[in-house]
Amino acid sequence: KQEVTQIPAALSVPEGENLVLNCSFTDSAIYNLQWFRQDPGKGLTSLLLIQSSQREQTSGRLNASLDKSSGRSTLYIAASQPGDSATYLCAVGVDSNYQLIWGAGTKLIIKP
Amino acid sequence: NAGVTQTPKFQVLKTGQSMTLQCAQDMNHEYMSWYRQDPGMGLRLIHYSVGAGITDQGEVPNGYNVSRSTTEDFPLRLLSAAPSQTSVYFCASSLNSNQPQHFGDGTRLSIL
Repeated sequence: KQEVTQIPAALSVPEGENLVLNCSFTDSAIYNLQWFRQDPGKGLTSLLLIQSSQREQTSGRLNASLDKSSGRSTLYIAASQPGDSATYLCAVGVDSNYQLIWGAGTKLIIKP
Repeated sequence: NAGVTQTPKFQVLKTGQSMTLQCAQDMNHEYMSWYRQDPGMGLRLIHYSVGAGITDQGEVPNGYNVSRSTTEDFPLRLLSAAPSQTSVYFCASSLNSNQPQHFGDGTRLSIL
């Protein structure tokens, strides 16, 4: 059974730092992997989607990598800003039937 | 640009009551799903639909019913509310399994 883990559960860093959020999964046979952002009291916003055949995806200051063999994905945030403060969740697509297995998230606080 | 709309945003029920959580999307997405989010846990899939007239169970379907009579709407019914169903409920939709899922803002449900 696929399990997704995100460590740490919370992270606080000063503004301007580059940082890495981690996501690990137990079964390397994935369909895709997605990173989402959740602001307090809000729904989830998709940040990046990496197909199983891809190694990374980039959007602005965000870069997500995927290493299926080691069961890991990382979300790199460059030059962090207070507006980046949110909970970041990763979700693994297990097959083409749309179903996602979710990590519990990393709550990120960027201190001004 | 409405996206995914969930109503109500908040609801308090007594044990044993029934209610329907509404979800509508205006993006002509075939895939729709319902998740629940509990503190410290990842999102868990309740039910999903890959098109009008087609529904299937997710990870935690007990106590919930769904129907999909149109592409736009995917209501979630609680048959007899229990305190264990206190949670935040999210509806999501997607064009296909390799496109990001779009989320509503959630329904915060408390069962007393």
